[in-house]
Parts: sequence; structure tokens; C-alpha cells
Amino acid sequence: GQNIDQPTEMTATEGAIVQINCTYQTSGFNGLFWYQQHAGEAPTFLSYNVLDGLEEKGRFSSFLSRSKGYSYLLLKELQMKDSASYLCAGMDSNYQLIWGAGTKLIIKP
Amino acid sequence: DTAVSQTPKYLVTQMGNDKSIKCEQNLGHDTMYWYKQDSKKFLKIMFSYNNKELIINETVPNRFSPKSPDKAHLNLHINSLELGDSAVYFCASSQEAGVTETQYFGPGTRLLVL
Repeated sequence: GQNIDQPTEMTATEGAIVQINCTYQTSGFNGLFWYQQHAGEAPTFLSYNVLDGLEEKGRFSSFLSRSKGYSYLLLKELQMKDSASYLCAGMDSNYQLIWGAGTKLIIKP
Repeated sequence: DTAVSQTPKYLVTQMGNDKSIKCEQNLGHDTMYWYKQDSKKFLKIMFSYNNKELIINETVPNRFSPKSPDKAHLNLHINSLELGDSAVYFCASSQEAGVTETQYFGPGTRLLVL
């Protein structure tokens, strides 16, 4: 079956760094997406990885290891506005997104 | 300008009623989607649709039907609403289907069935 696993909740301190891990199992693989979802709002696109390695985009970076079925989202210089859920989604061979339940990130001052 | 919009934002209704949720995208995208996000926050694809093909998640009851008057609109019609239909429904769009494309989401419709 297809499955996306990520931690339910994480807590970090403002100004610090946090890494949110995701493991995936999909039927075929056409890339790994990370989305941010603030409470009561729509998911918004953060990053896409299809090749192994690290993609950096400002304070946010995303890493992929296809051999391990593993990805992480790295958030640096955390700000209070980063408090949100972070959704990992794998794209299968039919180009359908398989979603994780999201990791709720709580930022403390 | 809102890229993907949905109406209504909130919908409270009685069991057994029929309701529709509207979705419009002004991005010029070819493909639109409906997702259901339940209380456990999983996003589950219900339908993906472009001019050529409707793909239905087989777990979706046939009480749910997408209706697309044109490329920019994909409405969701629900017959005989049940308590378990209570959830947040998101519409999304992407440039085209069958390739890797970023999906853009609407603000969601919070449906509560009493």
C-alpha cells in the first residue's frame, strides 16, 4: 500500500532550527512535496524534490533520499509565523499526491 | 486576485439534504481537484478532472459528483448528506494532469452535517 509517515507534533524555539522528517511508500515515484498549512487555511506549496539531495530556498530547505524513501524539511531562524502544520506528500506513478497527516509545529518564544 | 476560490466558506446543513460547493480558478490551469480533509487532518483525493478525463477515487461514495461547466470551474455536488461527510473540502488546480505539477489550493469549505 501507499503510506506517508511524519511526526504528529514538534516544538521548537524562536530563532532555532528544526527538522521535520517524512518517510514514504508510493506506487512509483514522481517526487516529494512539502506544503505548509496554517490553522483554518489552505495548504500552500513550499518545495518539491525529485532528485536526491538538498534543495535550499531561503530559510527553508528540503532533502530527499530516494533509496531510503526519506525526506526532511529544514526550517532555520524560526519565526513565530512558522507555527503551522507541515504536510509531506509523495506523487505516485499516476501523478496523484499521497498525503501525510501533517506535522504540527509549535514555536515558543 | 484570488487564484482558487471556493464558496461557501462554511456550510451547516441537516442530514439527508443535497448541497453544492463551488470552485473557480483564474490561473488558466487545465486540471482541478477535490480533496476531503477529515478531523485527523489527512488530505484525501476525491476527484481529479481535466477536459479529457475524470479520475474518481474508488472509495468516494456515488453521492458525491463533480460538475464542470467549463475549464475554470469544478463544482462538487453532494446528495443525501450524512454525518460522516462533515469535513473540510478543498478544491485545487494544477497546470496539467499526468505530469509533476504544483497544486494550488482554495481556502476550503467547512461542512458540518447535523
